[in-house]
Amino acid sequence: GAGVSQSPRYKVTKRGQDVALRCDPISGHVSLYWYRQALGQGPEFLTYFNYEAQQDKSGLPNDRFSAERPEGSISTLTIQRTEQRDSAMYRCASSTGTGEEKLFFGSGTQLSVL
Amino acid sequence: QKEVEQNSGPLSVPEGAIASLNCTYSDRGSQSFFWYRQYSGKSPELIMFIYSNGDKEDGRFTAQLNKASQYVSLLIRDSQPSDSATYLCAVNPGTYKYIFGTGTRLKVLA
Repeated sequence: GAGVSQSPRYKVTKRGQDVALRCDPISGHVSLYWYRQALGQGPEFLTYFNYEAQQDKSGLPNDRFSAERPEGSISTLTIQRTEQRDSAMYRCASSTGTGEEKLFFGSGTQLSVL
Repeated sequence: QKEVEQNSGPLSVPEGAIASLNCTYSDRGSQSFFWYRQYSGKSPELIMFIYSNGDKEDGRFTAQLNKASQYVSLLIRDSQPSDSATYLCAVNPGTYKYIFGTGTRLKVLA
């Protein structure tokens, strides 16, 4: 695609529900990142994929958070048993993986947990 | 100490002036450095990157890197109201992980 696509754009959920956030990276980009951005803060690293391999998940806050990229393209970030503190903008970014690692960000999913 | 530090601002400059944005980082092994611009409610957009000590110019933007001082800066010449945004410094410590600062909010006054 022309850019990184994320869906849904907004997600409102009740505490305790599970949510799945989707990211469709730029076609051909092998590297995919998930970041979380609180208001007034910079993006905070969550996890990184190289093709389908999740090479780093050190930024995932706890075991309620998981991510996958089964075919090396679309990725899903899942948050189980959501809590109010999970409310934030979740951003996906992709890059070519060739060494000049310029990140291209999607528009993000604004998650609100009530 | 935060890994990437920026003054949150706001930094206010008059139209036509030079805006100077600064960033320090803690990992001495960091390899590459990026400046992203983020308009309110939008996603970050890459505007400059620099890998070597010294200056790198691209139009009205100049990135400066001093690895010995662990310091990277962004200069915006002839600042325009449309440059008003938050500028995020990002550092790659030699892996695939990009560490972002909190950003500096720039206001260019017409």
